[in-house]
Amino acid sequence: NAGVTQTPKFQVLKTGQSMTLQCAQDMNHEYMSWYRQDPGMGLRLIHYSVGAGITDQGEVPNGYNVSRSTTEDFPLRLLSAAPSQTSVYFCASSSGVSSNYGYTFGSGTRLTVV
Amino acid sequence: AQSVSQHNHHVILSEAASLELGCNYSYGGTVNLFWYVQYPGQHLQLLLKYFSGDPLVKGIKGFEAEFIKSKFSFNLRKPSVQWSDTAEYFCAVRGNNRLAFGKGNQVVVIP
Repeated sequence: NAGVTQTPKFQVLKTGQSMTLQCAQDMNHEYMSWYRQDPGMGLRLIHYSVGAGITDQGEVPNGYNVSRSTTEDFPLRLLSAAPSQTSVYFCASSSGVSSNYGYTFGSGTRLTVV
Repeated sequence: AQSVSQHNHHVILSEAASLELGCNYSYGGTVNLFWYVQYPGQHLQLLLKYFSGDPLVKGIKGFEAEFIKSKFSFNLRKPSVQWSDTAEYFCAVRGNNRLAFGKGNQVVVIP
């Protein structure tokens, strides 16, 4: 099925470890973004991309890196995990910043940093 | 950057009651407005959206929302809720390449 695929669904890390959260979409969407969801905080934008080779920071970018080498993939990297990064992470895509189709969200990655 | 405010973060009501969730935003430019729903353990799903035209927007599952430009509001309504509407509801505003979310409303419908 077409959509946004996130892997892994669950992950436990030790403080200081690094990892990459994967996000892939097969809808040829230009726009992709990463959010973190914390109780009572809603979804906060971490990084976003308006096309291959173009990324920009969102509301809470510290501790996270992204790259966009292809239209399909938008991985999120944690270089040195901290307990404050325990959260649920969602990737979303859209066919353009002026798209009339809204955003499609992945099913999320639940990350726990101990 | 835009910001979104949602009030009454926790709402408890009985089946058949009416629901209204408030959403106010701040942004000086043209905006697109959305309401998303997140059922327990699931990802976000689009309920409805407003881009232009009729400010009264109808979405899925009997939800509707009204855009009032002068009040910077986009309130969500449903005349008669069901137990299956128990979920968290998020208002979102897109402007300047960014989609910003409110903190959400946790809605619990009691059978």
